[in-house]
Amino acid sequence: DGGITQSPKYLFRKEGQNVTLSCEQNLNHDAMYWYRQDPGQGLRLIYYSQIVNDFQKGDIAEGYSVSREKKESFPLTVTSAQKNPTAFYLCASTDTTGVKNYEQYFGPGTRLTVT
Amino acid sequence: GEDVEQSLFLSVREGDSSVINCTYTDSSSTYLYWYKQEPGAGLQLLTYIFSNMDMKQDQRLTVLLNKKDKHLSLRIADTQTGDSAIYFCAEEDSSYKLIFGSGTRLLVRP
Repeated sequence: DGGITQSPKYLFRKEGQNVTLSCEQNLNHDAMYWYRQDPGQGLRLIYYSQIVNDFQKGDIAEGYSVSREKKESFPLTVTSAQKNPTAFYLCASTDTTGVKNYEQYFGPGTRLTVT
Repeated sequence: GEDVEQSLFLSVREGDSSVINCTYTDSSSTYLYWYKQEPGAGLQLLTYIFSNMDMKQDQRLTVLLNKKDKHLSLRIADTQTGDSAIYFCAEEDSSYKLIFGSGTRLLVRP
């Protein structure tokens, strides 16, 4: 089955610790994205990557870091500098090589709780 | 900058039609999308419409696009309790990114 996996589904950390969220896709998509969702709010873009070894900041990149060493993987690190890290994190990917629309496929999400 | 707006909440009775509205600002968007999110899950693409179309129908779903007013709507016919979820509209920007609205929570009453 092709799709996007995120692990773990729930993650708990103490304040001051860095934590890395995993995102893997086997759809052969070139572009990948990380979003943050807070209760009652829409999705806010953290980082995105259109090609291996390259990534760009989204609207709320402060306190986060990413890497894109492999096409299928786009891990997100939530650093201790992120002031309000507790949220639901969603990873997505899309195929930008075609001429059609760029619909994004989403993973199931990771709920991070920092206390 | 680009902005997508939706009403926050809609409640309908089972069997009625639901209409969820969205306004967007980027007139150059090529495609516009509707996604569904069930509790604790990721987003699932429901449908999309190309910007040169006025309407698209897919089974119980009808999308209407008024490009002049930058208004998009999603109509769900014969709404069922399983349709209760959050619905997001989204527009494409010029760099393969989607701009999402804040989502409309649909509650279907039995």
